[in-house]
Amino acid sequence: SAVISQKPSRDICQRGTSLTIQCQVDSQVTMMFWYRQQPGQSLTLIATANQGSEATYESGFVIDKFPISRPNLTFSTLTVSNMSPEDSSIYLCSVELRGSGNTIYFGEGSWLTVV
Amino acid sequence: QKEVEQNSGPLSVPEGAIASLNCTYSDRGSQSFFWYRQYSGKSPELIMSIYSNGDKEDGRFTAQLNKASQYVSLLIRDSQPSDSATYLCAVKGSGAGSYQLTFGKGTKLSVIP
Repeated sequence: SAVISQKPSRDICQRGTSLTIQCQVDSQVTMMFWYRQQPGQSLTLIATANQGSEATYESGFVIDKFPISRPNLTFSTLTVSNMSPEDSSIYLCSVELRGSGNTIYFGEGSWLTVV
Repeated sequence: QKEVEQNSGPLSVPEGAIASLNCTYSDRGSQSFFWYRQYSGKSPELIMSIYSNGDKEDGRFTAQLNKASQYVSLLIRDSQPSDSATYLCAVKGSGAGSYQLTFGKGTKLSVIP
């Protein structure tokens, strides 16, 4: 496996503000993803982070609300823009590691509460 | 629409018993299957992966896959209170987007001392 670091681990945010979450991996990565887990729910894929190009968003998620960058193979950011209480959620970075047999691993998550 | 179905539970078993967790999936072309454990307030942790029909054992955990029935299960032998968590079934599909995982809603397991 690998160390998948996310920052911040937890934050309380004001309505209307934006927050950027960082994800750093210490191993070679083939794929990086961002998931959301709303309270009491399962995981929903937001987007696939593509190195050096625009992320690929899933239905229901748009770049203006969730801009994503991936400047290199092992680092990505997710911004949650113009937050509302409905954005209170766990945001999870996940990666497929080179040589892992297509297994996906998760970072420790970023717990966001919007007030 | 690719779907993964799990009983939400809670599933309660006494300590030392076998816990059986079940999952069905809709995409017949799915190739890879995973079980994750998620403790309250934590991120998902990979327990098992399985790719071929049959059983795969790892310690107290056994994953079972039946592609004809589109069914995957996880058995936990000698259940311990520390196994109390939500177990997520995840399936990696076929075709476009085959690198993506589709998750079930999870089964909450409670092991009673």
